[in-house]
Amino acid sequence: AQSVTQPDIHITVSEGASLELRCNYSYGATPYLFWYVQSPGQGLQLLLKYFSGDTLVQGIKGFEAEFKRSQSSFNLRKPSVHWSDAAEYFCAVVPPPSNTGNQFYFGTGTSLTVIP
Amino acid sequence: DGGITQSPKYLFRKEGQNVTLSCEQNLNHDAMYWYRQDPGQGLRLIYYSQIVNDFQKGDIAEGYSVSREKKESFPLTVTSAQKNPTAFYLCASSNQGSTAQHFGDGTRLSIL
Repeated sequence: AQSVTQPDIHITVSEGASLELRCNYSYGATPYLFWYVQSPGQGLQLLLKYFSGDTLVQGIKGFEAEFKRSQSSFNLRKPSVHWSDAAEYFCAVVPPPSNTGNQFYFGTGTSLTVIP
Repeated sequence: DGGITQSPKYLFRKEGQNVTLSCEQNLNHDAMYWYRQDPGQGLRLIYYSQIVNDFQKGDIAEGYSVSREKKESFPLTVTSAQKNPTAFYLCASSNQGSTAQHFGDGTRLSIL
């Protein structure tokens, strides 16, 4: 089945350490790719998106993501994590053009804990 | 500022009762969506609408109903047929052409 996978349910990092959150998709062609962040009890905020072109995408709050076609991945990275980055992170895809109405499909999320 | 407003933030439902969650957007977006979020399951699509007076079922539409009489409004009714309605509900909107979805702050529905 076509899907998007976030292999890590929960990640803990120290403040100031680097971060990488994994996202893999299983579609024949390259979908549109997104990363969202959700603070407790809040909606989702868009961090960055990839449609085409440069495979390294810069987002808000110092985040970036790299699209790797050979690995069907779109991993989110941050060089130095801040305590305020503690949240739930969701990878999302819009499958290649079809009659699905441009639906978004979300991964199950990765919960990030930041320790002092 | 433009955005999506969901109300109420917290909602309680009695057994056998229908409740309606409000979602209003002033972004002039054509498409609107309703998601259900449960712990550990990410977001699951309930219904979506790409234009006024038209909507389609998502992956978990049973026990829910929607209407889209105005471009800016997409209310979700959780009916008594939905046996496990306790969840966090998120509304989103987007422009046509697969641009990013913008989300409201959600409504948490609980059973009394």
